[in-house]
Amino acid sequence: SQTIHQWPATLVQPVGSPLSLECTVEGTSNPNLYWYRQAAGRGLQLLFYSVGIGQISSEVPQNLSASRPQDRQFILSSKKLLLSDSGFYLCAWGGLAGLPPYEQYFGPGTRLTVT
Amino acid sequence: AQSVAQPEDQVNVAEGNPLTVKCTYSVSGNPYLFWYVQYPNRGLQFLLKYITGDNLVKGSYGFEAEFNKSQTSFHLKKPSALVSDSALYFCAVRPYNTDKLIFGTGTRLQVFP
Repeated sequence: SQTIHQWPATLVQPVGSPLSLECTVEGTSNPNLYWYRQAAGRGLQLLFYSVGIGQISSEVPQNLSASRPQDRQFILSSKKLLLSDSGFYLCAWGGLAGLPPYEQYFGPGTRLTVT
Repeated sequence: AQSVAQPEDQVNVAEGNPLTVKCTYSVSGNPYLFWYVQYPNRGLQFLLKYITGDNLVKGSYGFEAEFNKSQTSFHLKKPSALVSDSALYFCAVRPYNTDKLIFGTGTRLQVFP
């Protein structure tokens, strides 16, 4: 069966510090990978998605970047955190366009607080 | 623009009563439809999906959803609510042959004992 891991689970970082969040998927190959941010326990904002190694699509211009160095690894980064980067970050995987699984499966999330 | 609407920010229901959480969508073609549940400080859990076929789909924890193409709706239902069903529920749509899901803004379900 497939599993998705995210770490760390919680993170408190000062403004201006760098960020690296990691997501890995097990039990599948060639997945689509996604990074979302959820503010105040409500709506989801898609930040980045990737359909393959080295292929990154950015949905919202911002202070963050993403990379996919391996097929099942997705990394979210920032060089200098802003207060507005605080939130709950969720990684997800799903099938390629037109292929199952059509749904996405989410990781446990990382709670980031920027102080 | 393609969108998903969850018109109720919160739904309150007494334990044992039936519940409905509403979802409508505006997407061209024949999209795939999903429901997710989120408990506090947790990731989203997949509940059920409509891809094709029978308009009534059954999912985890006794939930079901009815696809209505003419009304472009996909309402989530459960015959008898439990206090443990209290959570945040998201409806999502995936336009055919695309890579992304379009999420609604979420509905908070509160089940009272």
